Amino acid sequence: QSALTQPASVSGSPGQSITISCTGSDTDIGAYDLVSWYQHSPGRAPQLIIHEVSQRPAGVSLRFSGSKSGNTASLTISGLHSDDEADYFCCSYGGHTTLLLGGGTKLTVL
Amino acid sequence: QVQLQESGPGLVRPSETLSLTCNVSGASISIGGYYWSWIRQQPGKGLEWIGYIYHRGGTYYNPSFKSRSTLSIDTSTNQFSLQVRSVTAADTAVYYCARVRMILVVSHFDFWGQGTPVSVSS
Repeated sequence: QSALTQPASVSGSPGQSITISCTGSDTDIGAYDLVSWYQHSPGRAPQLIIHEVSQRPAGVSLRFSGSKSGNTASLTISGLHSDDEADYFCCSYGGHTTLLLGGGTKLTVL
Repeated sequence: QVQLQESGPGLVRPSETLSLTCNVSGASISIGGYYWSWIRQQPGKGLEWIGYIYHRGGTYYNPSFKSRSTLSIDTSTNQFSLQVRSVTAADTAVYYCARVRMILVVSHFDFWGQGTPVSVSS
C-alpha cells in the first residue's frame, strides 16, 4: 500500500481537462509545500512535471498545473493530447528526510 | 542534460545479494544540493523509495529496506550503488536511480534513469 493515495485510473477525450488527486496526511502533504508530480511512460525514465506544488520545470508544457488544498494535492492537465497518455505519480516530503510516493494513476486518452 | 543509467545482473538467485550501479553523466555527483537515490516498482504496484546518499557519504533509508540494504557512492567514477542482501521473490522489481533536489530539505526527484528490471528466481 502506497503512502500517498491516487486513483488507479482516469480518462478523458482530446481537448478536455482532467484532474488527478493525491491524498496524504497532515504530516506530509498538509505540512509542507513540497509536492511533486511525474509523468511515466512504459520503458522510459519518469519525468518531473511539477515541483513545490505548482512549479513547472523549464520545458514542461503550460497545460500541466498543480495545486494543493489541505492534505490533497492535484495535477490538472488541460487540452488533453494523445501523447499525454501515461502513468502519473505524486510525491511529497514526509518529514525526517523522507520522500513519500503515490501509487500512480493511469491516464487514458479516449 | 543530466542522465542516469542503471546497470545490474537482471537475474539473481534467492538468498543472494543484488548489486546495482547507477552511472551519472552531465553533472558531477560531488556537487552540493543533491542526494542520489534508488526507487523500485514491483510488478503491478506503486513506486517505493529505497534510500538516498549524499556525496559525502551520508545516507537515509526507507525503514522497510534499512536492515538489508547498503548505499555507496564513488565520486571518482561519478557512480553510486545499491546492494540488497538476502533477496527473495518479493524483491523482483524494476529498480530506478534518480537525483534528488534539496531545497532546505529533500524536495523532489529531478532526473531519473530508465530503470533496470531485476528478477529473483532459482
